[in-house]
Amino acid sequence: AQSVTQLDSQVPVFEEAPVELRCNYSSSVSVYLFWYVQYPNQGLQLLLKYLSGSTLVKGINGFEAEFNKSQTSFHLRKPSVHISDTAEYFCAVSELDTGKLIFGQGTTLQVKP
Amino acid sequence: NAGVTQTPKFQVLKTGQSMTLQCAQDMNHEYMSWYRQDPGMGLRLIHYSVGAGITDQGEVPNGYNVSRSTTEDFPLRLLSAAPSQTSVYFCASSYSTFSYEQYFGPGTRLTVT
Repeated sequence: AQSVTQLDSQVPVFEEAPVELRCNYSSSVSVYLFWYVQYPNQGLQLLLKYLSGSTLVKGINGFEAEFNKSQTSFHLRKPSVHISDTAEYFCAVSELDTGKLIFGQGTTLQVKP
Repeated sequence: NAGVTQTPKFQVLKTGQSMTLQCAQDMNHEYMSWYRQDPGMGLRLIHYSVGAGITDQGEVPNGYNVSRSTTEDFPLRLLSAAPSQTSVYFCASSYSTFSYEQYFGPGTRLTVT
């Protein structure tokens, strides 16, 4: 069975600093990988996704993520964060054979002025 | 387009009561799903549907029923509410398989006393 682990539950960072949110997954088959963002009191929206091809994926709001098959990781990065990036971020994995989407526990990004 | 709509936004139930959470989408999406969000546990899939008349269980289906009589609507029924079902519930839809972006509703915050 597949699983997703987000290694940090909270990440505090100062404005304009770089940030990395870590995600590892476990699966015996090929997967699709996603990062979603949830702003306070809202639903989730897609930041970026990896289906195939280039392992470096660029998303909205200046975020990017790199798929590393050997380390089964899909870490999210941004070179310079803004206060408005304060939100909860979810890594998710979909197995190609079942199609179900499994989410990680979430990482709260707190950007301080 | 209204996107994915959910009603009600908030609900308080007593243990043993039943109710239906409504979900509708106007994007002609085939895939619809229900998740619950609990602190520290991310989103967990309750039930999903790949088209009208077809539903399947997700990770945590016990205590919930679904049906999909039309493409637009995917209600979630709580048969006999329990305090363990206190959570925030999200409905989502996507064009096709889970490889496509899922669009989330704003959520329903349910408290069972």
